[in-house]
Amino acid sequence: NAGVTQTPKFQVLKTGQSMTLQCAQDMNHEYMSWYRQDPGMGLRLIHYSVGAGITDQGEVPNGYNVSRSTTEDFPLRLLSAAPSQTSVYFCASSIRHSGANVLTFGAGSRLTVL
Amino acid sequence: DAKTTQPTSMDCAEGRAANLPCNHSTISGNEYVYWYRQIHSQGPQYIIHGLKNNETNEMASLIITEDRKSSTLILPHATLRDTAVYYCIVRVAGAGNQFYFGTGTSLTVIP
Repeated sequence: NAGVTQTPKFQVLKTGQSMTLQCAQDMNHEYMSWYRQDPGMGLRLIHYSVGAGITDQGEVPNGYNVSRSTTEDFPLRLLSAAPSQTSVYFCASSIRHSGANVLTFGAGSRLTVL
Repeated sequence: DAKTTQPTSMDCAEGRAANLPCNHSTISGNEYVYWYRQIHSQGPQYIIHGLKNNETNEMASLIITEDRKSSTLILPHATLRDTAVYYCIVRVAGAGNQFYFGTGTSLTVIP
């Protein structure tokens, strides 16, 4: 199993450009989510999905769109990039473990918006 | 979900036990305590979780007080590779994967 795979690892955008961060998992996990992490801060939840066709907003959803057409994939779209979206983005998926949920994270995607 | 409070930073000597505290005084009966850690800029890594009883795995031990209002993560023999930010999270079982991370405790293991 590859686990949770994020692409690209690094990306530089200009203000106003759009792009999609890809996230794929091969563990047949039901739940997937996106977080962002700014310097010196913890992770903040952007969007999450409890299954194919179902998505919902987290703490900081503005400026981002998601969709979940398959169990494996959960792409994060930046519609019109802004410098405030410069951050490291982490995708996570989860299973049930001993009656609780355990998150598996990807390696992260570092985005810089100029 | 119950809010957690952790110290901002801690030091520990290499080879000694690292004891990381977490307060969660508003925890309810069906909420689990989870611990994750994040080494440098990598994705967070699951360590351990528990509900009422103390738990141990190959990475760490989790001690939960009888009233469940606080817990301690114990790394029995800290190594330099344990230097990381440790997050304590309280979450209702089966409520999905909306984990909310705070700023955690930055643990530095000193040679």
